[in-house]
Amino acid sequence: QVQLQESGPGLVKPSQTLSLTCTVSGDSIISGGYYWSWIRQRPGKDLEWIGYIYYSGTTYYTPSLESRVSISVDTSRNQFSLRLNSMTAADTAVYYCVKDATGYGELDTWGQGTLVTVST
Amino acid sequence: QSALTQPPSASGSPGQSVTISCTGTSSDVGGYDYVSWYQQHPGKAPKLIIYEVSKRPSGVPDHFSGSKSGNTASLTVSGLQAEDEADYYCSSYVGSSNLVFGGGTKLTVL
Repeated sequence: QVQLQESGPGLVKPSQTLSLTCTVSGDSIISGGYYWSWIRQRPGKDLEWIGYIYYSGTTYYTPSLESRVSISVDTSRNQFSLRLNSMTAADTAVYYCVKDATGYGELDTWGQGTLVTVST
Repeated sequence: QSALTQPPSASGSPGQSVTISCTGTSSDVGGYDYVSWYQQHPGKAPKLIIYEVSKRPSGVPDHFSGSKSGNTASLTVSGLQAEDEADYYCSSYVGSSNLVFGGGTKLTVL
């Protein structure tokens, strides 16, 4: 059974770049044809899809963040990563890495989430 | 403001049925049969309970069911149990490899 675990800093200063990594265990990131996603949940509970990457490296991002976001995959480490630059307080959220089984929003496996706070 | 509209709260007594709506447009809910529902308990990650409008993943109890009519999808929780008290979110594929969520509904078991 696939398991996901996020890692990265819990505190980021305004204007800096957030870097988070998701380690996939229980299966190879290149098997199954899955889409490896990042989703965030800001205080007050709304979920927001950030984007996903296919194991081949093809990426898709939500239009509102497309200019600031980058998702990459490291198949040798069975990891995928999120970079979000020019962070502001509005980016404070719990960030989840998630497996999308089909690429159509079948988000069947979630990491536990990591809280990222943007503050000086 | 969320792309999909859900009621902020819903409630029911144990054993009753409750239906939560998720209203979008012909560009999302009405245009694709890729509506999913998630259950989230406090402090936990969301859990997939319905995908492709009405399909249940393995292990999800059959008292959860989903449907869609036009631009509105619905989640019905039958035979309410105490452990069903949680936040529920809908999502819809919107084309061009994009996904949107509803604002969430807090379900209270009275």
